Amino acid sequence: DQQVKQNSPSLSVQEGRISILNCDYTNSMFDYFLWYKKYPAEGPTFLISISSIKDKNEDGRFTVFLNKSAKHLSLHIVPSQPGDSAVYFCAARSGGGADGLTFGKGTHLIIQP
Amino acid sequence: EADIYQTPRYLVIGTGKKITLECSQTMGHDKMYWYQQDPGMELHLIHYSYGVNSTEKGDLSSESTVSRIRTEHFPLTLESARPSHTSQYLCASSPNEGLDEKLFFGSGTQLSVL
Repeated sequence: DQQVKQNSPSLSVQEGRISILNCDYTNSMFDYFLWYKKYPAEGPTFLISISSIKDKNEDGRFTVFLNKSAKHLSLHIVPSQPGDSAVYFCAARSGGGADGLTFGKGTHLIIQP
Repeated sequence: EADIYQTPRYLVIGTGKKITLECSQTMGHDKMYWYQQDPGMELHLIHYSYGVNSTEKGDLSSESTVSRIRTEHFPLTLESARPSHTSQYLCASSPNEGLDEKLFFGSGTQLSVL
């Protein structure tokens, strides 16, 4: 039973354009959401997060939007750059950090020149 | 930012061998975690610890064991490796910051059991 779903295994975007990565969740107890970026053979690195009391959080080229009624969040990257090519994991947590994070399967973002 | 180190980065080993994957962090974080990840799949929590002498099993059943004798050290041991244990093992730690805390990951150990 997958509680965090990233339905697009891969996404190809031209350099300079906007990349939109989507994530859906089923557990209404999730109250904190994070995006991680992962290069091959390396550990994930934290990118951006959002609390369930907000609907948007922005950090430079990265913006995360949260739609609680739809149980959906998205990560926008604009403009996309070649170094953004990586696997992006959506993660969620409930109840103040207990038991770590629940991750999606990831979306492989490919930025084309 | 947390400094968290995993060794070895890559390990190829024969079936039946005992192995220990090392994980150390230098930031004094109480919480530490082990995740397992296969290509194209989500990260699965296999063990976690809230502090010294505290260890718990995660969501994914694992034949591995962990120990937490010191705050900075959280090794994972497989008594008898099998090909089904081939995977990437990721260690993480987090400060106890409440609702907005995040996990900091090491570079991972890619384990291949022949």
